[in-house]
Amino acid sequence: KNQVEQSPQSLIILEGKNCTLQCNYTVSPFSNLRWYKQDTGRGPVSLTIMTFSENTKSNGRYTATLDADTKQSSLHITASQLSDSASYICVVSGNNDMRFGAGTRLTVKP
Amino acid sequence: GAVVSQHPSRVICKSGTSVKIECRSLDFQATTMFWYRQFPKQSLMLMATSNEGSKATYEQGVEKDKFLINHASLTLSTLTVTSAHPEDSSFYICSARGRDRYQPQHFGDGTRLSIL
Repeated sequence: KNQVEQSPQSLIILEGKNCTLQCNYTVSPFSNLRWYKQDTGRGPVSLTIMTFSENTKSNGRYTATLDADTKQSSLHITASQLSDSASYICVVSGNNDMRFGAGTRLTVKP
Repeated sequence: GAVVSQHPSRVICKSGTSVKIECRSLDFQATTMFWYRQFPKQSLMLMATSNEGSKATYEQGVEKDKFLINHASLTLSTLTVTSAHPEDSSFYICSARGRDRYQPQHFGDGTRLSIL
Protein backbone atom coordinates (compact mmCIF):
# COMPACT_ATOMS: atom_id res chain seq x y z
CA LYS A 1 0.00 0.00 0.00
CA ASN A 2 1.33 3.38 -1.02
CA GLN A 3 2.21 5.61 1.90
CA VAL A 4 0.80 8.60 0.04
CA GLU A 5 -2.75 8.35 -1.27
CA GLN A 6 -4.28 11.04 -3.45
CA SER A 7 -7.88 11.59 -4.38
CA PRO A 8 -9.62 11.93 -6.65
CA GLN A 9 -7.64 10.09 -9.29
CA SER A 10 -9.02 12.46 -11.91
CA LEU A 11 -11.22 15.52 -11.95
CA ILE A 12 -12.94 17.58 -14.62
CA ILE A 13 -14.15 21.10 -13.85
CA LEU A 14 -15.29 24.12 -15.79
CA GLU A 15 -13.06 27.14 -16.20
CA GLY A 16 -13.52 29.62 -13.38
CA LYS A 17 -14.62 27.01 -10.84
CA ASN A 18 -12.75 26.08 -7.67
CA CYS A 19 -11.57 22.61 -6.73
CA THR A 20 -9.82 20.79 -3.90
CA LEU A 21 -7.44 17.89 -4.20
CA GLN A 22 -6.70 15.58 -1.27
CA CYS A 23 -3.58 13.86 -0.03
CA ASN A 24 -3.49 11.40 2.87
CA TYR A 25 -0.22 9.95 4.05
CA THR A 26 1.20 7.51 6.54
CA VAL A 27 4.86 8.46 6.15
CA SER A 28 6.54 8.62 9.55
CA PRO A 29 8.54 10.37 10.78
CA PHE A 30 7.36 13.35 8.82
CA SER A 31 9.68 16.04 7.50
CA ASN A 32 7.75 18.03 4.91
CA LEU A 33 5.03 17.81 2.29
CA ARG A 34 5.19 19.29 -1.18
CA TRP A 35 2.69 19.74 -3.95
CA TYR A 36 3.94 19.64 -7.50
CA LYS A 37 2.23 20.45 -10.80
CA GLN A 38 3.20 18.31 -13.76
CA ASP A 39 2.10 19.31 -17.23
CA THR A 40 1.85 16.49 -19.77
CA GLY A 41 5.28 15.56 -21.08
CA ARG A 42 7.08 17.90 -18.70
CA GLY A 43 8.83 17.60 -15.38
CA PRO A 44 7.06 18.48 -12.10
CA VAL A 45 7.20 22.04 -10.84
CA SER A 46 7.04 22.82 -7.12
CA LEU A 47 3.92 24.70 -5.96
CA THR A 48 4.19 24.64 -2.18
CA ILE A 49 6.24 23.11 0.60
CA MET A 50 5.08 22.76 4.18
CA THR A 51 6.77 21.55 7.30
CA PHE A 52 5.20 20.11 10.44
CA SER A 53 4.42 23.49 11.98
CA GLU A 54 2.74 25.02 8.95
CA ASN A 55 -1.02 24.71 8.44
CA THR A 56 -1.49 26.61 5.23
CA LYS A 57 0.56 28.07 2.44
CA SER A 58 -0.50 29.95 -0.65
CA ASN A 59 1.06 30.42 -4.05
CA GLY A 60 -1.16 32.64 -6.15
CA ARG A 61 -4.41 30.78 -6.80
CA TYR A 62 -3.05 27.65 -5.13
CA THR A 63 -3.55 27.17 -1.40
CA ALA A 64 -2.24 24.10 0.39
CA THR A 65 -3.28 23.02 3.86
CA LEU A 66 -1.69 20.52 6.19
CA ASP A 67 -3.07 18.72 9.22
CA ALA A 68 -0.11 16.85 10.67
CA ASP A 69 -2.28 15.23 13.33
CA THR A 70 -4.59 13.51 10.86
CA LYS A 71 -1.84 13.27 8.24
CA GLN A 72 -3.92 15.00 5.61
CA SER A 73 -3.19 17.74 3.13
CA SER A 74 -5.28 19.48 0.52
CA LEU A 75 -4.55 21.68 -2.46
CA HIS A 76 -7.24 24.22 -3.27
CA ILE A 77 -7.31 25.90 -6.66
CA THR A 78 -9.44 28.98 -7.02
CA ALA A 79 -10.84 30.49 -10.21
CA SER A 80 -9.43 27.70 -12.33
CA GLN A 81 -7.88 28.42 -15.70
CA LEU A 82 -7.38 26.22 -18.73
CA SER A 83 -3.66 26.21 -17.98
CA ASP A 84 -4.34 24.52 -14.65
CA SER A 85 -4.99 21.29 -16.55
CA ALA A 86 -2.20 19.02 -15.33
CA SER A 87 -1.36 16.30 -12.85
CA TYR A 88 -0.91 17.41 -9.26
CA ILE A 89 1.44 15.29 -7.21
CA CYS A 90 1.74 15.17 -3.43
CA VAL A 91 5.20 14.26 -2.15
CA VAL A 92 5.86 13.50 1.49
CA SER A 93 9.38 13.39 2.89
CA GLY A 94 10.48 11.43 5.90
CA ASN A 95 13.96 11.30 7.36
CA ASN A 96 15.81 10.01 4.35
CA ASP A 97 13.27 9.31 1.65
CA MET A 98 10.44 10.78 -0.30
CA ARG A 99 7.15 9.15 -1.13
CA PHE A 100 5.20 10.18 -4.20
CA GLY A 101 1.46 10.04 -4.55
CA ALA A 102 0.01 8.74 -7.80
CA GLY A 103 -1.29 12.20 -8.59
CA THR A 104 -4.63 13.74 -9.47
CA ARG A 105 -5.24 14.44 -13.12
CA LEU A 106 -7.12 17.77 -13.39
CA THR A 107 -8.82 18.82 -16.60
CA VAL A 108 -10.24 22.33 -16.86
CA LYS A 109 -12.75 22.75 -19.66
CA PRO A 110 -13.94 26.02 -21.20
CA GLY B 1 14.42 30.17 -10.02
CA ALA B 2 16.62 27.12 -10.20
CA VAL B 3 16.74 25.48 -13.58
CA VAL B 4 17.52 21.91 -14.47
CA SER B 5 18.09 21.08 -18.09
CA GLN B 6 17.57 17.55 -19.38
CA HIS B 7 18.66 16.41 -22.80
CA PRO B 8 17.53 14.97 -25.12
CA SER B 9 13.81 15.51 -24.73
CA ARG B 10 12.95 12.59 -26.98
CA VAL B 11 14.82 9.57 -28.26
CA ILE B 12 13.66 6.92 -30.69
CA CYS B 13 16.10 4.12 -31.37
CA LYS B 14 16.43 0.48 -32.23
CA SER B 15 16.52 -2.35 -29.73
CA GLY B 16 20.04 -3.04 -28.49
CA THR B 17 21.16 0.57 -28.64
CA SER B 18 22.61 2.30 -25.59
CA VAL B 19 21.13 5.71 -24.83
CA LYS B 20 22.64 8.45 -22.71
CA ILE B 21 20.51 11.10 -21.02
CA GLU B 22 22.09 14.22 -19.53
CA CYS B 23 20.85 16.24 -16.60
CA ARG B 24 22.42 19.63 -15.87
CA SER B 25 21.80 22.12 -13.10
CA LEU B 26 22.22 25.52 -14.72
CA ASP B 27 22.36 27.94 -11.82
CA PHE B 28 23.16 25.99 -8.68
CA GLN B 29 25.42 23.22 -7.47
CA ALA B 30 23.55 19.94 -7.46
CA THR B 31 25.00 17.94 -4.62
CA THR B 32 22.38 15.27 -5.14
CA MET B 33 20.62 14.19 -8.30
CA PHE B 34 17.73 11.80 -8.65
CA TRP B 35 16.60 9.72 -11.60
CA TYR B 36 12.97 8.73 -12.01
CA ARG B 37 10.96 6.66 -14.41
CA GLN B 38 7.32 7.39 -15.14
CA PHE B 39 4.83 5.20 -16.95
CA PRO B 40 1.66 6.68 -18.49
CA LYS B 41 -0.85 7.91 -15.93
CA GLN B 42 1.38 6.81 -13.08
CA SER B 43 3.49 8.75 -10.65
CA LEU B 44 7.23 9.02 -10.66
CA MET B 45 9.20 5.98 -9.55
CA LEU B 46 12.61 6.69 -8.07
CA MET B 47 15.30 4.65 -9.80
CA ALA B 48 18.46 5.89 -8.14
CA THR B 49 20.02 8.68 -6.13
CA SER B 50 23.47 9.99 -6.88
CA ASN B 51 25.74 12.25 -4.91
CA GLU B 52 28.52 14.10 -6.64
CA GLY B 53 31.67 12.04 -6.71
CA SER B 54 30.04 8.93 -5.27
CA LYS B 55 28.48 5.80 -6.65
CA ALA B 56 24.74 5.97 -7.18
CA THR B 57 22.35 4.26 -4.78
CA TYR B 58 19.81 2.22 -6.69
CA GLU B 59 16.30 1.41 -5.58
CA GLN B 60 15.29 -2.20 -5.17
CA GLY B 61 14.57 -3.86 -8.47
CA VAL B 62 16.56 -1.40 -10.58
CA GLU B 63 19.48 -3.04 -12.37
CA LYS B 64 22.61 -0.97 -11.89
CA ASP B 65 24.33 -2.61 -14.85
CA LYS B 66 21.36 -1.74 -17.03
CA PHE B 67 21.00 1.85 -15.90
CA LEU B 68 24.45 3.39 -15.52
CA ILE B 69 24.56 6.64 -13.60
CA ASN B 70 27.47 9.03 -13.49
CA HIS B 71 27.57 12.17 -11.35
CA ALA B 72 31.08 13.40 -11.94
CA SER B 73 30.49 17.10 -11.30
CA LEU B 74 28.21 19.35 -9.29
CA THR B 75 26.32 20.36 -12.40
CA LEU B 76 26.04 17.20 -14.47
CA SER B 77 24.66 13.70 -14.06
CA THR B 78 24.09 11.19 -16.80
CA LEU B 79 21.90 8.12 -17.10
CA THR B 80 22.87 5.54 -19.70
CA VAL B 81 20.33 2.89 -20.59
CA THR B 82 22.50 0.08 -21.89
CA SER B 83 21.32 -2.31 -24.61
CA ALA B 84 17.84 -0.85 -24.45
CA HIS B 85 14.83 -3.01 -25.24
CA PRO B 86 11.18 -2.11 -25.88
CA GLU B 87 10.28 -2.65 -22.22
CA ASP B 88 12.70 0.16 -21.35
CA SER B 89 10.49 2.60 -23.24
CA SER B 90 9.32 5.17 -20.72
CA PHE B 91 9.53 8.77 -19.58
CA TYR B 92 12.74 9.38 -17.64
CA ILE B 93 13.00 12.45 -15.41
CA CYS B 94 15.94 13.77 -13.45
CA SER B 95 15.91 16.17 -10.53
CA ALA B 96 18.59 18.01 -8.63
CA ARG B 97 18.99 19.40 -5.17
CA GLY B 98 21.62 21.47 -3.44
CA ARG B 99 23.25 20.78 -0.11
CA ASP B 100 20.14 21.66 1.90
CA ARG B 101 18.06 18.48 1.82
CA TYR B 102 14.99 20.44 2.95
CA GLN B 103 14.91 22.50 -0.22
CA PRO B 104 12.68 21.21 -3.03
CA GLN B 105 14.08 19.20 -5.85
CA HIS B 106 14.15 20.92 -9.20
CA PHE B 107 13.06 18.69 -12.02
CA GLY B 108 14.14 18.50 -15.60
CA ASP B 109 11.54 18.32 -18.35
CA GLY B 110 12.07 14.63 -18.89
CA THR B 111 13.19 12.40 -21.75
CA ARG B 112 10.70 10.33 -23.71
CA LEU B 113 12.53 7.12 -24.65
CA SER B 114 10.99 4.89 -27.30
CA ILE B 115 12.73 1.64 -28.22
CA LEU B 116 11.57 0.02 -31.43
